Amino acid sequence: GAGVSQTPSNKVTEKGKYVELRCDPISGHTALYWYRQSLGQGPEFLIYFQGTGAADDSGLPNDRFFAVRPEGSVSTLKIQRTERGDSAVYLCASSLGLSGGNQETQYFGPGTRLLVL
Amino acid sequence: DQQVKQNSPSLSVQEGRISILNCDYTNSMFDYFLWYKKYPAEGPTFLISISSIKDKNEDGRFTVFLNKSAKHLSLHIVPSQPGDSAVYFCAAQKQGGSEKLVFGKGTKLTVNP
Repeated sequence: GAGVSQTPSNKVTEKGKYVELRCDPISGHTALYWYRQSLGQGPEFLIYFQGTGAADDSGLPNDRFFAVRPEGSVSTLKIQRTERGDSAVYLCASSLGLSGGNQETQYFGPGTRLLVL
Repeated sequence: DQQVKQNSPSLSVQEGRISILNCDYTNSMFDYFLWYKKYPAEGPTFLISISSIKDKNEDGRFTVFLNKSAKHLSLHIVPSQPGDSAVYFCAAQKQGGSEKLVFGKGTKLTVNP
């Protein structure tokens, strides 16, 4: 498996529930990113990890959103008390991270389609 | 305030002809630009990139042109093929360590056989 993988591919949940979305980056990539894409829009940045630490979480919309990457590989995006407005495609990307992620190509996974009813 | 703009939501061209997709940006701190292609139900796939120190980068049928003074870039596909039909996103990254990509809204390209 050479690419970025994300699970689940689809998630339907009810308003108020908690969800976890998983991302498995390309092996050897130290930089990992989460984006969110709503219908008719381009992807919007949520958070960036360099190794285990969140280097930039300025895109997280509020404190219901949280992400971790405890061992510097797999990352989990966690959404508490989901709202209907959270419905979107959540995309994960990774890059080598050699230059801190700057001027590096980010490779995307297929995304998780989240629907909050 | 949209920093990366793709003003054409859609574009239709004939197979074999040139496709030109345009992108404008407002932030002069952007120094790296990328084009991604996206098929339905898939993640964006990287196509081609260009650094601000260049004004052209070519890879096979794909060429990206950058005009820094106009804050404008374009993607040329020659010749266009039906398999190129997809949504194309322009993305930009700031110099100075902010690694996040800022995306436009995309242009849906349809290449007709």
